[in-house]
Amino acid sequence: AQRVTQPEKLLSVFKGAPVELKCNYSYSGSPELFWYVQYSRQRLQLLLRHISRESIKGFTADLNKGETSFHLKKPFAQEEDSAMYYCALTFKAAGNKLTFGGGTRVLVKP
Amino acid sequence: AAGVIQSPRHLIKEKRETATLKCYPIPRHDTVYWYQQGPGQDPQFLISFYEKMQSDKGSIPDRFSAQQFSDYHSELNMSSLELGDSALYFCASSTHEGVNEQFFGPGTRLTVL
Repeated sequence: AQRVTQPEKLLSVFKGAPVELKCNYSYSGSPELFWYVQYSRQRLQLLLRHISRESIKGFTADLNKGETSFHLKKPFAQEEDSAMYYCALTFKAAGNKLTFGGGTRVLVKP
Repeated sequence: AAGVIQSPRHLIKEKRETATLKCYPIPRHDTVYWYQQGPGQDPQFLISFYEKMQSDKGSIPDRFSAQQFSDYHSELNMSSLELGDSALYFCASSTHEGVNEQFFGPGTRLTVL
């Protein structure tokens, strides 16, 4: 069965510092990987998906099939980046249901 | 733009009672997903519907049932509630083609006393 692992429960960085959220997955086929973000008291919203290969709010994520990873990076963290981040996986045969990692809470300090 | 609507936003029930959660997808979205997020846990997939038919089923207890109606809204019915059912229940909607972004509702927080 597919699995998504986010090893860090909490990441605390200072404003302007780089931030990297780790995500590893296990799935034998070709998955679709996503990063979802949940700001305080707001709903889950899509941040990035690997097939679009774009940068959103300064965040990027590269799918590394060899290492089965999809780490999220931002070179200069901002206070408004403080939120809960979930890495998620799906695949076509799964009917698009998402398998989430445990989440990483990011706290950007001034 | 219209987003996914869930009602109620908060619900308090006693053990062994029943609860009904509602989800209204974004217009023209034909697929609905339900997820359960327990305290300190990641969201877990429960069940999904496409064109009013169940399309997939996850770790949903037999005490729970769900359906999608002709207007594409969905209801999650929960019976014989247990303390462990206390959680945040998210609904998400998407179109069916390809692997598309799921848009999430704000969730219904269910507390079972």
